[in-house]
Amino acid sequence: DTGVSQDPRHKITKRGQNVTFRCDPISEHNRLYWYRQTLGQGPEFLTYFQNEAQLEKSRLLSDRFSAERPKGSFSTLEIQRTEQGDSAMYLCASSLAQGAGEKLFFGSGTQLSVL
Amino acid sequence: GDSVTQMEGPVTLSEEAFLTINCTYTATGYPSLFWYVQYPGEGLQLLLKATKADDKGSNKGFEATYRKETTSFHLEKGSVQVSDSAVYFCALLIQGAQKLVFGQGTRLTINP
Repeated sequence: DTGVSQDPRHKITKRGQNVTFRCDPISEHNRLYWYRQTLGQGPEFLTYFQNEAQLEKSRLLSDRFSAERPKGSFSTLEIQRTEQGDSAMYLCASSLAQGAGEKLFFGSGTQLSVL
Repeated sequence: GDSVTQMEGPVTLSEEAFLTINCTYTATGYPSLFWYVQYPGEGLQLLLKATKADDKGSNKGFEATYRKETTSFHLEKGSVQVSDSAVYFCALLIQGAQKLVFGQGTRLTINP
């Protein structure tokens, strides 16, 4: 068990460019989540998958954002036409579906800076 | 909507001091409650949880009791160590929903 890994750790891009982040969850976990965290704030939910199905998307996730989990394993989060307001830490988490009190395992995040 | 309010930081204490970080919540259903911790340079880790009223979560000397009557889940530790320096997040999960709602975090610094 190597934990949740995210790539890259840091990404600097110019406004208007597209960026893609990758998340590899813990292998037996069937749920995968994306969160966004800005400086001094707690993480905010963006979306989650159960296996390959995207089951919920936050209103924070504009049309410029798209997430996929094609085979129910790794996931990608793409941001098109980046804006300065997209600068944040993007966190991925995974879990094994269970009842109340489900435990999420978080990756170290991808820090995005849009210039 | 569902929300979590945490005690504002930063909090600075001396080693062996008593710690309380306040957390209150607003929720439409019956949430599970969590404390997550983020050590410098690391990802969020679950510290403890409680899934129903009057449950007490505990781990690494930290405790928190789910108080439905006061909608609170305060984090306590009797004697803090330098290694407890981190950012602490209170969070809730509504049963049947699959998103954690986090507070804004409280940065804790313990001085030797």
